[in-house]
Amino acid sequence: KAGVTQTPRYLIKTRGQQVTLSCSPISGHRSVSWYQQTPGQGLQFLFEYFSETQRNKGNFPGRFSGRQFSNSRSEMNVSTLELGDSALYLCASSSVGGGETQYFGPGTRLLVL
Amino acid sequence: EDQVTQSPEALRLQEGESSSLNCSYTVSGLRGLFWYRQDPGKGPEFLFTLYSAGEEKEKERLKATLTKKESFLHITAPKPEDSATYLCAVQAAQGAQKLVFGQGTRLTINP
Repeated sequence: KAGVTQTPRYLIKTRGQQVTLSCSPISGHRSVSWYQQTPGQGLQFLFEYFSETQRNKGNFPGRFSGRQFSNSRSEMNVSTLELGDSALYLCASSSVGGGETQYFGPGTRLLVL
Repeated sequence: EDQVTQSPEALRLQEGESSSLNCSYTVSGLRGLFWYRQDPGKGPEFLFTLYSAGEEKEKERLKATLTKKESFLHITAPKPEDSATYLCAVQAAQGAQKLVFGQGTRLTINP
């Protein structure tokens, strides 16, 4: 079974721009979660989608948003980029949710200049 | 607020030298505790899920245990390829799929 895939793998943007990251979950998985990883803050939860509905959201500003499509693929969008948004963005999928193991993708490395 | 603290931050061992990593947690109703391994520049790789106090899981040189307040990841006779950052995360009963992570333990095994 193919794992979680994320595109693009690397991205360079400038302040004020916006960016869209994509995640394809493991086949059959319906829950997709997004995390931001930085050296200072570690791994922090952004939001989770299940059956196209956002079920939970972390403490991030409204510039961070996401959506999920009917095939369970998910995208996250960051508008008006700031230097502090530079991070590794990780997507994780699980089969149902609620205690199920989450499997992570390789991440998208975003650098904001 | 749910919280996870891992210790030590970094650990350097000789090949074959066994040790343990600690994960202390506070959570409002534990649904599950997860251990992951992360290599530089890669996404976390799943190792174990523990659901209740007293549970133990084993895989090759690794063994994870769980009590009501902490979890241990025991590594027996480690090899250089076990070098990585080990992450502990908890999921609360009311948090859907949200994982709260510790800062990780960076483990280095010298040959």
